[in-house]
Amino acid sequence: GAVVSQHPSWVICKSGTSVKIECRSLDFQATTMFWYRQFPKQSLMLMATSNEGSKATYEQGVEKDKFLINHASLTLSTLTVTSAHPEDSSFYICSASGRVPYEQYFGPGTRLTVT
Amino acid sequence: DQQVKQNSPSLSVQEGRISILNCDYTNSMFDYFLWYKKYPAEGPTFLISISSIKDKNEDGRFTVFLNKSAKHLSLHIVPSQPGDSAVYFCAASGGSGGYQKVTFGTGTKLQVIP
Repeated sequence: GAVVSQHPSWVICKSGTSVKIECRSLDFQATTMFWYRQFPKQSLMLMATSNEGSKATYEQGVEKDKFLINHASLTLSTLTVTSAHPEDSSFYICSASGRVPYEQYFGPGTRLTVT
Repeated sequence: DQQVKQNSPSLSVQEGRISILNCDYTNSMFDYFLWYKKYPAEGPTFLISISSIKDKNEDGRFTVFLNKSAKHLSLHIVPSQPGDSAVYFCAASGGSGGYQKVTFGTGTKLQVIP
């Protein structure tokens, strides 16, 4: 149980275009979903927290107009990277919580490469 | 400000021996701690957790120890197996961030040598 999926697993896009990444909790209702970014050999950096039906809470330094987060249902959250640039290239990981307090279940991640 | 620190970026252990991964935290308001295992290009997998009301939690080969006075926790894996080779992240929650927000350490890469 506690399976979280992400789609796509990897994506290559051209600079200036937008990319949408989906995060789904497959076997539980996720009241809260999180989006992280990981740079090579670095820790997971929390970008934003989203609760179903409400606006996402962004961490300091994360541009909310660039990284659009939607959490429309208890099983789906989306991250849209708008007007992507090469510096946005990274590994994006979502997680979901809801089954057990304090514990997050992570998706497999999405590798974004902006050319 | 790194509130959760894993000072050893890597660790090598012989198969069958004990692996000990360490983690220190600075925020005394943290009261729930977790360990995650991560393979390259995959999301972290939850391993084991411990509440601050305990000092030890055991699950099979994995045991987490918490020393609140020292703000230190450790993960023991015994016996270590080659499949345990991965990056291990320590994480903490509670305090002003609430229980849903988890702060991660920088990770320790464990290599178990057959």
